[in-house]
Amino acid sequence: GENVEQHPSTLSVQEGDSAVIKCTYSDSASNYFPWYKQELGKRPQLIIDIRSNVGEKKDQRIAVTLNKTAKHFSLHITETQPEDSAVYFCAAAGEGTYKYIFGTGTRLKVLA
Amino acid sequence: DVKVTQSSRYLVKRTGEKVFLECVQDMDHENMFWYRQDPGLGLRLIYFSYDVKMKEKGDIPEGYSVSREKKERFSLILESASTNQTSMYLCASSLNRDLPHFGNGTRLTVT
Repeated sequence: GENVEQHPSTLSVQEGDSAVIKCTYSDSASNYFPWYKQELGKRPQLIIDIRSNVGEKKDQRIAVTLNKTAKHFSLHITETQPEDSAVYFCAAAGEGTYKYIFGTGTRLKVLA
Repeated sequence: DVKVTQSSRYLVKRTGEKVFLECVQDMDHENMFWYRQDPGLGLRLIYFSYDVKMKEKGDIPEGYSVSREKKERFSLILESASTNQTSMYLCASSLNRDLPHFGNGTRLTVT
């Protein structure tokens, strides 16, 4: 079955710097890759997703890139702000499946 | 906006008790999921259901069962709670192959 690895487990950046979180997946049939943000004590919420027919997607300060050949995808946050501090999860699922497998999470701390 | 409601925010149970965790969604979603969240292990899928009375095992189904008698409700059952089932439990729902929407979670402590 699918396995998703996520790195790093913790990440500290200075406010205004960029943050990058990387995930690799094992099932080459996977083609749905969402990213969730979970603030302390709250539910995970979808922030961006990418499908296998595109290599990059941007939404303001957030971008996600996908390399299907290497089976990895990354979340990029630019101009980080203290409110970006949270745990971020990547996930992967294949065509025709409802089953999303999640990475182990990255705790991002943005230092003011 | 999708609303996924978990009946309890915090729950404390004793070893050996039968525990029911309830989840209700109000968006007529076909798919519902139960995940378990533990530090360093991320979100692990316990069970999911793609229709009423249908269920499939996730990656860690041992010690759990589920019930989906109505489309809007998905229950997670711990037949005999054990201390290693102390965790945060997250319910989610989705429409077709759309991305899951999560509830606020139930933090279960088994003593």
